Amino acid sequence: NAGVMQNPRHLVRRRGQEARLRCSPMKGHSHVYWYRQLPEEGLKFMVYLQKENIIDESGMPKERFSAEFPKEGPSILRIQQVVRGDSAAYFCASSPGLAENQQFFGPGTRLTVL
Amino acid sequence: GDSVTQMEGPVTLSEEAFLTINCTYTATGYPSLFWYVQYPGEGLQLLLKATKADDKGSNKGFEATYRKETTSFHLEKGSVQVSDSAVYFCASRGMGGATNKLIFGTGTLLAVQP
Repeated sequence: NAGVMQNPRHLVRRRGQEARLRCSPMKGHSHVYWYRQLPEEGLKFMVYLQKENIIDESGMPKERFSAEFPKEGPSILRIQQVVRGDSAAYFCASSPGLAENQQFFGPGTRLTVL
Repeated sequence: GDSVTQMEGPVTLSEEAFLTINCTYTATGYPSLFWYVQYPGEGLQLLLKATKADDKGSNKGFEATYRKETTSFHLEKGSVQVSDSAVYFCASRGMGGATNKLIFGTGTLLAVQP
């Protein structure tokens, strides 16, 4: 059973460009979480999605950031008009959906904004 | 709001030394508590967890006890190995509500020297 997959592993963008980060949850998992790890900091929750629904986006910046988890295909975290402060590692986690179940983390996407 | 505080690193130890990494939390109610480990270039892996007061989580020689009276979940290992070198994150997860988001500490880098 493959783990949580994220791609790309490394992404370089210039200021003003768009970044698209993809997350394929583990097989059978319908719940996806996105976390951001800024340099020298811990992970911060961004958004929690179930298939086709955003359940909690309380950690998402108000502008430029959006997330989706369509019925088919991976979850996408989209950052428009990137700025240098967006440089970070973005981790995706998935769970089967039950409240007590463990979140399984992907290897992360390291975004560098030049 | 809920938060997790853990001791800052880096922590540098010689092989076979005793390890303690302190972690305290603030939360409404009684959260579940976790320790995650992140090896270089990889995502987070669950190391151990405890879901109620006085529970002891253990794995790979690591232990942590959920102390409600001191709101702590300190990580310990009796004899560290070079292969334990990694970043360790303490995390909490609140009970109930529509989300299972994890709240992380800032991480503690452990470097074990031969």
